[in-house]
Amino acid sequence: DVKVTQSSRYLVKRTGEKVFLECVQDMDHENMFWYRQDPGLGLRLIYFSYDVKMKEKGDIPEGYSVSREKKERFSLILESASTNQTSMYLCASSSPATGGPSTSWTDTQYFGPGTRLTVL
Amino acid sequence: DQQVKQNSPSLSVQEGRISILNCDYTNSMFDYFLWYKKYPAEGPTFLISISSIKDKNEDGRFTVFLNKSAKHLSLHIVPSQPGDSAVYFCAAIHSAASKLTFGTGTRLQVTL
Repeated sequence: DVKVTQSSRYLVKRTGEKVFLECVQDMDHENMFWYRQDPGLGLRLIYFSYDVKMKEKGDIPEGYSVSREKKERFSLILESASTNQTSMYLCASSSPATGGPSTSWTDTQYFGPGTRLTVL
Repeated sequence: DQQVKQNSPSLSVQEGRISILNCDYTNSMFDYFLWYKKYPAEGPTFLISISSIKDKNEDGRFTVFLNKSAKHLSLHIVPSQPGDSAVYFCAAIHSAASKLTFGTGTRLQVTL
């Protein structure tokens, strides 16, 4: 069974603080993703990574950075948190089907439970 | 610019009846579509998918229909069960552009 865990379920931070959101998966998946979920906007991709130390910008990377030093761990960093970053953050991982390309978007993504971040 | 839209934020259906969740998209380059289900306090889980070369895919009680000319897909759940109560997201993929776009979600409530 695939397990994706996120370090915190709820987090409250102040404007200007540096925030780290951690995600760990235990299935040796190559691909990892960070999304944010907002009412009326669905899930929006912030960053993704298809290998250790590799990262690609998603649709809304502004104000965020990521780090992937180990295959199982993908961190989302808010360098200076702002109130408009209050959101639900979801991490996901996936692995390509045998023989598939390294980032096949049709592969099933397995999501963590989410971190609800409030920035005051 | 929301390229994938679920125009019904919520839907209530009686147990045993059919639930129909709709999704519209604007980008004709989308070539693969998925549905995810999300329970409160949990991450989304994959439900069913369909390639653009097909117009129907069935998996047990779940069937997804794709109408490419109308840029519309729908998820049918028959019969609906209380455990189906969740938020459902459709998602569309543009493979060549490596782009996955989620819809806004529809909250389904199955009542007894």
